Amino acid sequence: NAGVTQTPKFRVLKTGQSMTLLCAQDMNHEYMYWYRQDPGMGLRLIHYSVGEGTTAKGEVPDGYNVSRLKKQNFLLGLESAAPSQTSVYFCASSRVPGRNTEAFFGQGTRLTVV
Amino acid sequence: KQEVTQIPAALSVPEGENLVLNCSFTDSAIYNLQWFRQDPGKGLTSLLLIQSSQREQTSGRLNASLDKSSGRSTLYIAASQPGDSATYLCAVSAQTGANNLFFGTGTRLTVIP
Repeated sequence: NAGVTQTPKFRVLKTGQSMTLLCAQDMNHEYMYWYRQDPGMGLRLIHYSVGEGTTAKGEVPDGYNVSRLKKQNFLLGLESAAPSQTSVYFCASSRVPGRNTEAFFGQGTRLTVV
Repeated sequence: KQEVTQIPAALSVPEGENLVLNCSFTDSAIYNLQWFRQDPGKGLTSLLLIQSSQREQTSGRLNASLDKSSGRSTLYIAASQPGDSATYLCAVSAQTGANNLFFGTGTRLTVIP
């Protein structure tokens, strides 16, 4: 019953460094998402994917790239980290859209850029 | 753009009290509405999902209602317990290609023993 698993859970980066956050889901979901959560703000969509090999920009995509080479994995990359990217990152997955479609979330990655 | 607002931002109640959390949204073109619980430093736990065609959904001491036409939802917690202390997030599922969730900023609930 793994659901949605994010790696790593915590990370500290120096400004300008790069890193990749990994999200893996074992529910055979088509849709996957990356959100960021900042104090005083609701979760905001960074990028999303509606299926293997597809990605699209969300509300706050600048400074991030994503890839979905395998259906079960969705990677979020930071090419040159900035302090403004200090945040908690959540991955989510869901079936195709519908009234009964529920989103499932990972436990989050807490990223600090110094 | 869908805007989701949660009131109040924080709430403190004595143990045993019944309470209501409020959520409003601006665009009624939604698939569903989800209520989540988030403990400090933790992920999101789904509590209830109300389909756009439903009026309410119940799970244990939790009851969520939805009035899609007026853009409002409430989460009712009966007989509150200290273990209910957490942040409660409301999110609506957009009827768009992304089908992403739009979140409110949450209500931080403290139940005092």
